[in-house]
Amino acid sequence: DAGITQSPRYKITETGRQVTLMCHQTWSHSYMFWYRQDLGHGLRLIYYSAAADITDKGEVPDGYVVSRSKTENFPLTLESATRSQTSVYFCASSRDRVGEQYFGPGTRLTVT
Amino acid sequence: GIQVEQSPPDLILQEGANSTLRCNFSDSVNNLQWFHQNPWGQLINLFYIPSGTKQNGRLSATTVATERYSLLYISSSQTTDSGVYFCAVDRFGNEKLTFGTGTRLTIIP
Repeated sequence: DAGITQSPRYKITETGRQVTLMCHQTWSHSYMFWYRQDLGHGLRLIYYSAAADITDKGEVPDGYVVSRSKTENFPLTLESATRSQTSVYFCASSRDRVGEQYFGPGTRLTVT
Repeated sequence: GIQVEQSPPDLILQEGANSTLRCNFSDSVNNLQWFHQNPWGQLINLFYIPSGTKQNGRLSATTVATERYSLLYISSSQTTDSGVYFCAVDRFGNEKLTFGTGTRLTIIP
């Protein structure tokens, strides 16, 4: 039972580069979420998806793009990375709108 | 948006002690969850508890929705309980959890 996985676990990139963080879940959960965690700000929602091909903005969506062509995958793309996007990124999933959320192990991204 | 406040921000206890963590929220909610983030960064869902009381081993949680607060109880603390505990809530009609800033718990052997 793989659950929810994220890749890569660590990434260093340069300002202006495009980078994609991957999230994969094996539970067939309808909902998937992307959060970023920063000191002083806690966990903040970037984007979420209620089903394949349905996505919506969270609290801090600027600079990020998501897609969800398959239920099990929810990639997050930084189109032109900035230093302010240095953070730990967590993907999560839940079976339904108000259900328990289960988190992946996180991706630590550093933008130089 | 909804405000979520957790207290205390930091708590240091001896192994074997009991603790109570509090989460206050500013609006009616239909979703409240408690998470534990361990020292390695992994976030674990502890409870889904929009109302009532639940228990899981040494941990229990109570949410009094009408008074807009939830409590997480940890009994007979162990060093593995160390980490940050987050409360997260979701208002009616919303689909997004708002997280509190967490309580950092340190259990000393």
